[in-house]
Amino acid sequence: EAGVAQSPRYKIIEKRQSVAFWCNPISGHATLYWYQQILGQGPKLLIQFQNNGVVDDSQLPKDRFSAERLKGVDSTLKIQPAKLEDSAVYLCASSSRGLINEKLFFGSGTQLSVL
Amino acid sequence: SQQGEEDPQALSIQEGENATMNCSYKTSINNLQWYRQNSGRGLVHLILIRSNEREKHSGRLRVTLDTSKKSSSLLITASRAADTASYFCATAHNNNDMRFGAGTRLTVKP
Repeated sequence: EAGVAQSPRYKIIEKRQSVAFWCNPISGHATLYWYQQILGQGPKLLIQFQNNGVVDDSQLPKDRFSAERLKGVDSTLKIQPAKLEDSAVYLCASSSRGLINEKLFFGSGTQLSVL
Repeated sequence: SQQGEEDPQALSIQEGENATMNCSYKTSINNLQWYRQNSGRGLVHLILIRSNEREKHSGRLRVTLDTSKKSSSLLITASRAADTASYFCATAHNNNDMRFGAGTRLTVKP
């Protein structure tokens, strides 16, 4: 079974530039998550999708972050414009149906450096 | 906001010793999960314990849950150098919205 795919692996941009990350979850997984992990901290949930609908985006900074999951499969997360404090690893995860007691499968992440 | 808090933040032991990590959380949960993260990689699920369970085993892993104290512990027995990683607890509330703690960074010296 193929895992969660993310790209790019690394990205370096200057502040105020825009950046986009892509995620392809495990085939058939209905639930997709984007997490932000700042160095030395645990992952922080940004947004959770169930198929192509948003379940939870309460911690997404909506003035600069946006995410979409068209057709309920792969997803993109965009930052526009980026700030220095956005430097982090952006992790995508998926689970089968988004039910309680399901485990999450994570991709390797995109490491973003904002200069 | 983060839900779980792990303790200690960092732990260094010798190969063969046991490693114990603790997790405390604030609100009621449906389940608690432990994940492992190797440097530069994504998280890997280790074990899940439901709110009505008190102890669970998986290989060299033993997890306990005390809902009255809102705490959990992860014990790794007979540690190996390959166990060196960060360990996170995560709690699920509604819609399986997993919230993670800050993690314990475990170093196992050969």
